[in-house]
Amino acid sequence: DTGVSQDPRHKITKRGQNVTFRCDPISEHNRLYWYRQTLGQGPEFLTYFQNEAQLEKSRLLSDRFSAERPKGSFSTLEIQRTEQGDSAMYLCASSLGLGDDEQYFGPGTRLTVT
Amino acid sequence: RKEVEQDPGPFNVPEGATVAFNCTYSNSASQSFFWYRQDCRKEPKLLMSVYSSGNEDGRFTAQLNRASQYISLLIRDSKLSDSATYLCVVNMVSNYQLIWGAGTKLIIKP
Repeated sequence: DTGVSQDPRHKITKRGQNVTFRCDPISEHNRLYWYRQTLGQGPEFLTYFQNEAQLEKSRLLSDRFSAERPKGSFSTLEIQRTEQGDSAMYLCASSLGLGDDEQYFGPGTRLTVT
Repeated sequence: RKEVEQDPGPFNVPEGATVAFNCTYSNSASQSFFWYRQDCRKEPKLLMSVYSSGNEDGRFTAQLNRASQYISLLIRDSKLSDSATYLCVVNMVSNYQLIWGAGTKLIIKP
């Protein structure tokens, strides 16, 4: 399967714990994006990378959130001291990085904070 | 005011009918426009891009009116498999962020 993959697909954690999600983009894609989606809403942009450089961060990305893409390939999104309001679907997408190009989405990681 | 607004839905439509979705966006500097489809508990998938000249892909027609900051999607001869949530998406090319509407849920009834 050469699409975007995310791991884990589901995560249940207790409030206050740290969680880390992984995203593997399509191999030749330079741009990688993280979004968050809650029920009944469209995805909300969190951050994006051009290769290993994090070029944009949303105001939604509080200091408890950190994202990395150390080698310009896979990316991780870490949430520290999780809160119940962090419960959502976390979507990763990638694109070639040529102007305004199509973003391909992974299946998402569904986080439930109890 | 939300940056991208869509009809709240859901739309309950009989199979074979024509259904139209509307979307408005607030930022006149928006550069690119898309319709995505999202099935329940699945990731969004690109349905079609929207061009100023309008574009058609089989039963689907998308139109853009930049002056009114309005985007539409028309589905003709709807099928049961068209049941999904349709999301209007706007791209500020300057920062590559996709700004999403909340989506309109479509339910096609046999």
